[in-house]
Amino acid sequence: DSGVTQTPKHLITATGQRVTLRCSPRSGDLSVYWYQQSLDQGLQFLIQYYNGEERAKGNILERFSAQQFPDLHSELNLSSLELGDSALYFCASDRGTELPGYTFGSGTRLTVV
Amino acid sequence: GQNIDQPTEMTATEGAIVQINCTYQTSGFNGLFWYQQHAGEAPTFLSYNVLDGLEEKGRFSSFLSRSKGYSYLLLKELQMKDSASYLCAALDSNYQLIWGAGTKLIIKP
Repeated sequence: DSGVTQTPKHLITATGQRVTLRCSPRSGDLSVYWYQQSLDQGLQFLIQYYNGEERAKGNILERFSAQQFPDLHSELNLSSLELGDSALYFCASDRGTELPGYTFGSGTRLTVV
Repeated sequence: GQNIDQPTEMTATEGAIVQINCTYQTSGFNGLFWYQQHAGEAPTFLSYNVLDGLEEKGRFSSFLSRSKGYSYLLLKELQMKDSASYLCAALDSNYQLIWGAGTKLIIKP
């Protein structure tokens, strides 16, 4: 157990729908990162939050949004889902004030049908 | 732009040695990470280099040359469980990780 908790582990939904992925960072970590990994592809950085505020943005679609709450957990919202959104979504966390030693959660596997 | 290059796939034999290369171009540089990722699982940290030279950690070693923008991961005494993807990632001047696409390592008996 890495200490980073992601729920749900698996999600199957239809095109056009909206889903929310949840991440609880490791205890003491203030920064949360979201990544998308399509089948046999590399990690695509989506967005980073630090202590409730957006810190960095990657290749995140406008249909996707995220936030970090006062208790530091984060949610990634994916809307108007398309087949191409099927992927593993990873959350990672670190202290945010030191060199990143990312700890990854086990991921959410999203399948859009 | 920022770029990380590493081979897409490599094949090696159980018990042998394999070297996975990575070249990087980033805006500033604050270190180079290697992660291992088994299929369908989360990446796990292997090594971090910020100074030139070789860092050895058991069967795995990682090398960095900052002047050449080059790193490699050396795996010795390969085991079947080493079959995985190996991700190279460079830390840029904003302390953001720039990820390579990963090298899929196939180990044959």
